[in-house]
Amino acid sequence: DGGITQSPKYLFRKEGQNVTLSCEQNLNHDAMYWYRQDPGQGLRLIYYSQIVNDFQKGDIAEGYSVSREKKESFPLTVTSAQKNPTAFYLCAISIGRGTEAFFGQGTRLTVV
Amino acid sequence: GIQVEQSPPDLILQEGANSTLRCNFSDSVNNLQWFHQNPWGQLINLFYIPSGTKQNGRLSATTVATERYSLLYISSSQTTDSGVYFCAVGTSVFGNEKLTFGTGTRLTIIP
Repeated sequence: DGGITQSPKYLFRKEGQNVTLSCEQNLNHDAMYWYRQDPGQGLRLIYYSQIVNDFQKGDIAEGYSVSREKKESFPLTVTSAQKNPTAFYLCAISIGRGTEAFFGQGTRLTVV
Repeated sequence: GIQVEQSPPDLILQEGANSTLRCNFSDSVNNLQWFHQNPWGQLINLFYIPSGTKQNGRLSATTVATERYSLLYISSSQTTDSGVYFCAVGTSVFGNEKLTFGTGTRLTIIP
């Protein structure tokens, strides 16, 4: 927070449509992350990026794609290949590996 | 991968009571954070504490890295303390960049 902006806060999409979630930061941090949270569960890592033009898969990357063309932006696309896309999505930033992570306010995606 | 267990899963207390939340992890860590998730889903950073003890007002935390656990203490609970508390850890394994989260402790403070 205080420099991490996720939009929109709520998102509704029809099944089979791709949708892109935005994550922007103005804190000049190198590392950015996308996590997914299902009801009653902790967070699981989807993708992360340590530097511009580079990103790595996390534990549950199937059905998702990302890009890191600018340091301040790390958008997440939920594709039609994601079998259960309805969830709460959180973006995080940190200075680097092993350092404190800070989270945005999240996007609640509902696919109907 | 590393396992993170939090206990208790649920805790209901009267306002003014004290509580202790526990986080056990299965491997050495270079990052341990405690978060409070409010009813709107926002994750609030409480402590970054891979080892040692820290205090912030009514909250304090201790991590004993050699014994692979961390404790979060909340004193004189208030209704605004309600929510889910998560422990998250990062390991020192090269290339392992993620935080692994526990499933949380849901705290309910009754007026």
